[in-house]
Amino acid sequence: SQKIEQNSEALNIQEGKTATLTCNYTNYSPAYLQWYRQDPGRGPVFLLLIRENEKEKRKERLKVTFDTTLKQSLFHITASQPADSATYLCAPDASGGSYIPTFGRGTSLIVHP
Amino acid sequence: SQTIHQWPATLVQPVGSPLSLECTVEGTSNPNLYWYRQAAGRGLQLLFYSVGIGQISSEVPQNLSASRPQDRQFILSSKKLLLSDSGFYLCAWSYGRGGREQYFGPGTRLTVT
Repeated sequence: SQKIEQNSEALNIQEGKTATLTCNYTNYSPAYLQWYRQDPGRGPVFLLLIRENEKEKRKERLKVTFDTTLKQSLFHITASQPADSATYLCAPDASGGSYIPTFGRGTSLIVHP
Repeated sequence: SQTIHQWPATLVQPVGSPLSLECTVEGTSNPNLYWYRQAAGRGLQLLFYSVGIGQISSEVPQNLSASRPQDRQFILSSKKLLLSDSGFYLCAWSYGRGGREQYFGPGTRLTVT
């Protein structure tokens, strides 16, 4: 069955550095992959969507890559700020060609001033 | 612009009592609607989704049910709550006809005692 893996350990970085979060998936090949941000006690917020034929996508300080050979997506935040501290969820399409995403458990990012 | 409402924000219910959570979307027509549950430290679990009035797909067998009496209204119900029903319930919408980006409501924190 499909499996989505995100680092369960929190990522701690200093303000101004680039944060890189990893999402690995196995046993299928999603055509699309999304990233969401979730703050404690709030619903997730959509950030970016990348298609399988796009290697990279950018939005302001955010960058997402999608390597279909490695079955991996990387999520980068450049010039990180304490306000970027949150949990980031990877969400590739569910298997079977569904347009509905399957969410990973997320990685907590903590940016220290 | 589109907005999504959920209520109540928090709820404490005894085991065996009924449940009704409501979600409404404004500013869009014919959305796809979703109910998710997020248990503490766990990922988002898709419970139900709907592509139209009266059309409900269940993802996980459980003692919960969903209904969509109007285009932009989605209701999650239970006749008898279990302790394991505790969690953070999130409603989301996406554009119809295969829209992938999901837009989440503020959530309902349910504690079953």
